[in-house]
Amino acid sequence: QSVLTQPPSASGTPGQRVAISCSGSSSNIGSYTVNWYQQLPGTAPKLLIYSNNQRPSGVPDRFSGSKSGTSASLAISGLQSEDEADYYCAAWDDSLNGWVFGGGTKLTVL
Amino acid sequence: EVQLVESGGGLVKPGGSLRLSCAASRFTFSNYNMNWVRQAPGKGLEWVSSISSSSSYIYYADSVKGRFTISRDNAKNSLYLQMNSLRAEDTAIYYCARGGLYQQRNDVFDIWGQGTMVTVSS
Repeated sequence: QSVLTQPPSASGTPGQRVAISCSGSSSNIGSYTVNWYQQLPGTAPKLLIYSNNQRPSGVPDRFSGSKSGTSASLAISGLQSEDEADYYCAAWDDSLNGWVFGGGTKLTVL
Repeated sequence: EVQLVESGGGLVKPGGSLRLSCAASRFTFSNYNMNWVRQAPGKGLEWVSSISSSSSYIYYADSVKGRFTISRDNAKNSLYLQMNSLRAEDTAIYYCARGGLYQQRNDVFDIWGQGTMVTVSS
């Protein structure tokens, strides 16, 4: 059972917009910024979004993040087949004095 | 290219020990906080431990506290994870990840290694 709650799966067709939620509490998302990581099959995770809504250099602007209260969301617009991956949210947790990840969401492009 | 390369994984019996290493290159290692994150087969990411740039601040996940020790050698651009009293549930790919320049709670894991597999089995 992960401290941050994500839906286990999401799907969409090419060109569609999908959103992945990440729910936490006052000790993590409510107090700290959220980062998102993308893990393509068989590869190491990669930073996708940091500080709630910032994109590292090289990440397409199809990817966007937002945060409100104790929840965060990752949106992917103009869905492409190469977006098929696992997506994880993460935040610092004051109660645990460490980082917590969501359980991950497997995105399928139909 | 900024790079992290893990090594030291392998097969170990329950109760045994293993030391993982992470070699950093092409960035000023001594400036950055560093982390270990693991992923059990078919499961999600789990943060394991974090160490500040000067080793002054160290944090562990409850699941490894008292059994694992994180350390670093800035002169060798290397991060380590000493794992003792290993259990079957420690079986995972272990990734090292670069953090930030300031407080660890504000870190962003922006660079990841390729991972090293640890299997705990009799």
